[in-house]
Amino acid sequence: DSGVTQTPKHLITATGQRVTLRCSPRSGDLSVYWYQQSLDQGLQFLIQYYNGEERAKGNILERFSAQQFPDLHSELNLSSLELGDSALYFCASSVGQDSSYEQYFGPGTRLTVT
Amino acid sequence: AQSVTQLGSHVSVSEGALVLLRCNYSSSVPPYLFWYVQYPNQGLQLLLKYTSAATLVKGINGFEAEFKKSETSFHLTKPSAHMSDAAEYVCAVTDSSASKIIFGSGTRLSIRP
Repeated sequence: DSGVTQTPKHLITATGQRVTLRCSPRSGDLSVYWYQQSLDQGLQFLIQYYNGEERAKGNILERFSAQQFPDLHSELNLSSLELGDSALYFCASSVGQDSSYEQYFGPGTRLTVT
Repeated sequence: AQSVTQLGSHVSVSEGALVLLRCNYSSSVPPYLFWYVQYPNQGLQLLLKYTSAATLVKGINGFEAEFKKSETSFHLTKPSAHMSDAAEYVCAVTDSSASKIIFGSGTRLSIRP
């Protein structure tokens, strides 16, 4: 158990809909990272927050947004969903600001768009 | 831009045999290199991390990796495979500023009894 929790574990929704994925980092960790893992593809970095502020951005679509709250949990919002958004979404947390620090991964949320 | 290539999407070895999983990075020496393991229905777990302190890095579960600048490689090895080693192994590097991690596509390791 990494100490990172993600809810829900599974999500099935229809095209055009909007969903919110939630992540609670390990106690003491200030950074939260979001990743997308599509079928037969490696993990793609979406976005990082550090202590409530956006720190780094990857290939995140404009339809996607995220935020980190004062209690350090984070939410990833996906809107106008398309079939291609079906994937595993992982959250990871670390104590430091950059990627030199070990990241601890949650179990992921499997999103299926029908 | 930095990229990571893992040769072989699937590797199968016999129990007790040497495990060798290959990873190459594309450009200038990244500040940090990692190997992660992913078991089914779980997130990634760090196996080991290279930080330039030593070219041979020892990790958990008996795995180690050697950084070779001349070959732009960071291959993962284990002398003797166990059934419990069956999993997905992912190589990753940071970009030059360590602002983000770039992951390889992963290698699925199967162990034959």
